[in-house]
Amino acid sequence: QSVLTQPPSASGTPGQRVTISCSGSSSNIGSNYVYWYQHLPGTAPKLLIYNNNQRPSGVPDRFSGSKSGTSASLAISGLRSEDEADYYCAAWNDSLGGYVFGTGTKVTVL
Amino acid sequence: EVQLVESGGGLVQPGGSLRLSCAASGFIFSNHEINWVRQAPGKGLEWLSYISGSGGTIYYADSVKGRFTISRDNAKRSLYLQMNSLRAEDTAVYYCARAGDSPFDYWGQGALVTVSS
Repeated sequence: QSVLTQPPSASGTPGQRVTISCSGSSSNIGSNYVYWYQHLPGTAPKLLIYNNNQRPSGVPDRFSGSKSGTSASLAISGLRSEDEADYYCAAWNDSLGGYVFGTGTKVTVL
Repeated sequence: EVQLVESGGGLVQPGGSLRLSCAASGFIFSNHEINWVRQAPGKGLEWLSYISGSGGTIYYADSVKGRFTISRDNAKRSLYLQMNSLRAEDTAVYYCARAGDSPFDYWGQGALVTVSS
């Protein structure tokens, strides 16, 4: 099972702000960078946030990341229908000697 | 344009073997670390293995350690995942993903592996 815990679902109406949490431990989030990915079924996952809060070029500034202690969050502001997807956090885990993904959060635009 | 294309997936019996390939283009292959990630039906993403640009450093998830082997051929711009002693729970879509700003900057479209008798 994953060592990074996310809520299974989140939802909002168009234009609203949605926040997804990612809870870990001192072995992963507490001592390493957090990354966020968007995954639409049947497609290749897409990098949204790297190094806790950095956006790659081409990712809208509606997406933002933050980290505090052993938890991290992804916020989507100005929610749009195309944001309906699964979202995953990830981090290196020192005690496991490998990367770990979060449990995933399905975002629904109502 | 960065492209990663997986191949080699298919149906295999429990206990069998399969070799996945990942063909890369659009970047200097040897400069980048690469990872394998999978997604079982109805499940989340699971990291499997990492290989450095030179191939000198390799890591595995406990779930595949001793059964799967990652390798690369920089001259052929290709990554491989040799999968032995396959189990039903290895049924998944397997992705190769290039590292850059993050461990998984660019992903392939995935290769489906089904382990069933």
